[in-house]
Amino acid sequence: SQTIHQWPATLVQPVGSPLSLECTVEGTSNPNLYWYRQAAGRGLQLLFYSVGIGQISSEVPQNLSASRPQDRQFILSSKKLLLSDSGFYLCAWSVRTPPDTQYFGPGTRLTVL
Amino acid sequence: RKEVEQDPGPFNVPEGATVAFNCTYSNSASQSFFWYRQDCRKEPKLLMSVYSSGNEDGRFTAQLNRASQYISLLIRDSKLSDSATYLCVVNYGRGSTLGRLYFGRGTQLTVWP
Repeated sequence: SQTIHQWPATLVQPVGSPLSLECTVEGTSNPNLYWYRQAAGRGLQLLFYSVGIGQISSEVPQNLSASRPQDRQFILSSKKLLLSDSGFYLCAWSVRTPPDTQYFGPGTRLTVL
Repeated sequence: RKEVEQDPGPFNVPEGATVAFNCTYSNSASQSFFWYRQDCRKEPKLLMSVYSSGNEDGRFTAQLNRASQYISLLIRDSKLSDSATYLCVVNYGRGSTLGRLYFGRGTQLTVWP
């Protein structure tokens, strides 16, 4: 069966510090991968998606970036965090055929102080 | 206009009650439909897909009305464990194999003893 891992689970970082969040998927090949952010009391916002190694599409302009160095690895990064980057970051995967159901990892709760 | 709109609630119901959630979507090209549930400070988890003919899974019944662009979720015989936020999710592609999910902000349900 497929599993998705994210780490760290929680993170507290000062403003201006760098960020690296990692997501890995097991038990499937060539998944679509996604990064979402959920701010407190808000809906899910799609940040990035990837259909393959090195292929990243950005949905929202911001100071975040994403990379996919391996088929089942997706990384979210920032060079300098802002207060507004605080939130719950969720990685998700889906197969490449309809209905494209997405399955979420446990998430990383980021607080920027 | 938002892609997916839901009544945010909260809905507070006693155990054993029947409760219904509604959702509307704006894009008539939408292809797949889902309900997810999200527990407090956890990741969203797929509750059920929604099919054109309507579908049932135990106490949960989902309905889709494409003409009205409307989705519903009915929960019968509510349990305390049903307390969560329910997310309406709609998927429409862009002529590629990538599924693009749009999430409603969720409807909060609290079931009390």
